[in-house]
Amino acid sequence: GQQLNQSPQSMFIQEGEDVSMNCTSSSIFNTWLWYKQEPGEGPVLLIALYKAGELTSNGRLTAQFGITRKDSFLNISASIPSDVGIYFCAGRDAGNNRKLIWGLGTSLAVNP
Amino acid sequence: EPEVTQTPSHQVTQMGQEVILRCVPISNHLYFYWYRQILGQKVEFLVSFYNNEISEKSEIFDDQFSVERPDGSNFTLKIRSTKLEDSAMYFCASNREGAQYEQYFGPGTRLTVT
Repeated sequence: GQQLNQSPQSMFIQEGEDVSMNCTSSSIFNTWLWYKQEPGEGPVLLIALYKAGELTSNGRLTAQFGITRKDSFLNISASIPSDVGIYFCAGRDAGNNRKLIWGLGTSLAVNP
Repeated sequence: EPEVTQTPSHQVTQMGQEVILRCVPISNHLYFYWYRQILGQKVEFLVSFYNNEISEKSEIFDDQFSVERPDGSNFTLKIRSTKLEDSAMYFCASNREGAQYEQYFGPGTRLTVT
């Protein structure tokens, strides 16, 4: 089935560093979402984006809906140990009104 | 803050048995979903449900699966005859009208089929 390309697959960084990850699709998307999943828990919605070029922040997290509508970026500034988890992008294909397409996730580890 | 709840947190069953996974979505939400996540893999869409009927389902959601909203609060996923490969975390999610893609997830049920 359709899939998003999410990169990097994993990151291991030092506390205080900034983090960037991105997601790309082969088709145009109308919605981009970023979720965080911690071990043994369900994904938690971080940021939702609905318009091309939109830039939205949630604390130290900032996400952007790419101008081409085929990509999205998530940045985390000044990382802390509790940022550890798997970050998933998800999006809604412009041609499909119901289903979210999910990326494979970026696993983030933060060294204190 | 309202949240999606799921029971049980862990279900162990033998191959061929029926299981029912239960979810209570957030009370003013109208769209409901089931997802599964095999250990270490991505989240996979199973089914979406709105206005008391399935609105979309994936190729994973075959005749062995069914969903039901038996009352005003519960949303269930039934697997009729479990297979080993059904072992996974199953997440329920919901969202409100007007924020159709801001889905809120429950904590999941870990299903282990032996």
